[in-house]
Amino acid sequence: AQRVTQPEKLLSVFKGAPVELKCNYSYSGSPELFWYVQYSRQRLQLLLRHISRESIKGFTADLNKGETSFHLKKPFAQEEDSAMYYCAPSYNNNDMRFGAGTRLTVKP
Amino acid sequence: EAQVTQNPRYLITVTGKKLTVTCSQNMNHEYMSWYRQDPGLGLRQIYYSMNVEVTDKGDVPEGYKVSRKEKRNFPLILESPSPNQTSLYFCASSLGQADLNTEAFFGQGTRLTVV
Repeated sequence: AQRVTQPEKLLSVFKGAPVELKCNYSYSGSPELFWYVQYSRQRLQLLLRHISRESIKGFTADLNKGETSFHLKKPFAQEEDSAMYYCAPSYNNNDMRFGAGTRLTVKP
Repeated sequence: EAQVTQNPRYLITVTGKKLTVTCSQNMNHEYMSWYRQDPGLGLRQIYYSMNVEVTDKGDVPEGYKVSRKEKRNFPLILESPSPNQTSLYFCASSLGQADLNTEAFFGQGTRLTVV
């Protein structure tokens, strides 16, 4: 069965500290990988996708095919990063499944 | 403006009273899907549609129906709602072409309470 695991439901860090949100996936083939973010009272929106290899709002994510992981990282967390984060592998037909999500709280 | 629009945003209903949540996108996307979001469970897919007249079950389809008679609309139907369907529902769409790394666009959500 296809599965996405985000092991931490809640993650709390202080402002300026590094943060890593973990994501492991279990899929046949080679899915495309995304991170989505949901700020308070807003709709989900794309944060970044692995194929772009870009940094968005200071976040990066490295795909490790050997470990089937796509962890999201930021070296210095900011209070405005507090949100719900979802890892989402996508099949090549664009059928997208989401992890259970990690709620990140950045404390002042 | 490119967007996915859901209606209503909030709905309180009684057990057994049929309801429909509408979803419409103006991006000519082929792929559309419905999710429910529950605390601790994240986003779970209810149904999805690859194209007009093509729908399939997601992970939690029980108690729901969908239809895709035209490309832009993908309504979610609850024939006989029950309290365990109280949730926050999101509709999403994406381009849907195979082998393309396409982003999903989400509606603003519908908060449904079944009493």
